[in-house]
Amino acid sequence: DGGITQSPKYLFRKEGQNVTLSCEQNLNHDAMYWYRQDPGQGLRLIYYSQIVNDFQKGDIAEGYSVSREKKESFPLTVTSAQKNPTAFYLCASSTPSVSYNEQFFGPGTRLTVL
Amino acid sequence: ELKVEQNPLFLSMQEGKNYTIYCNYSTTSDRLYWYRQDPGKSLESLFVLLSNGAVKQEGRLMASLDTKARLSTLHITAAVHDLSATYFCAVDGSQGGSEKLVFGKGTKLTVNP
Repeated sequence: DGGITQSPKYLFRKEGQNVTLSCEQNLNHDAMYWYRQDPGQGLRLIYYSQIVNDFQKGDIAEGYSVSREKKESFPLTVTSAQKNPTAFYLCASSTPSVSYNEQFFGPGTRLTVL
Repeated sequence: ELKVEQNPLFLSMQEGKNYTIYCNYSTTSDRLYWYRQDPGKSLESLFVLLSNGAVKQEGRLMASLDTKARLSTLHITAAVHDLSATYFCAVDGSQGGSEKLVFGKGTKLTVNP
């Protein structure tokens, strides 16, 4: 089955700790995205990548880092510089064209700071 | 900067009733997407609207796009409890090649018996 997987489903972070969220897709999509969702809010873009070894900051990139070494994988690291990381993190992928960019979402990772 | 506004943000309705959710956006775009999110879950794609006047229907939901008015509507017909969820619209904010989607804050729909 083609799809997007995220792990872990739940993650707990202590202060001063970096944590990495995994996102893998087997849809052969070129572009991948990371969003943050806070309770009762919409999605805010953290980082996105259109091709391997290249990525761009989204609207709220401070305190986060990413890599795109393989087409299938786009891990997100939440660093200690991110002061309020408790949120629901969603990874998405797509094959954007000039006229179309439907994004497909993974199941999400819920991160809680202890 | 593209802004996307949905209203209402909260909607409580009775089963069997009709209602419309509105999605307004601030800059030119002819690519708009509707998603559904159940509590604690991820987003599921509902509709893709890619041109002015586009209309898509699936069961009791119908979505339309008016690019001149920068408005999309999601109409609910004869609501049932299973439609209770949060609905998001997202607008393609790129010029030329598609890159980023800008999401509305979502409309939390509760359908009561």
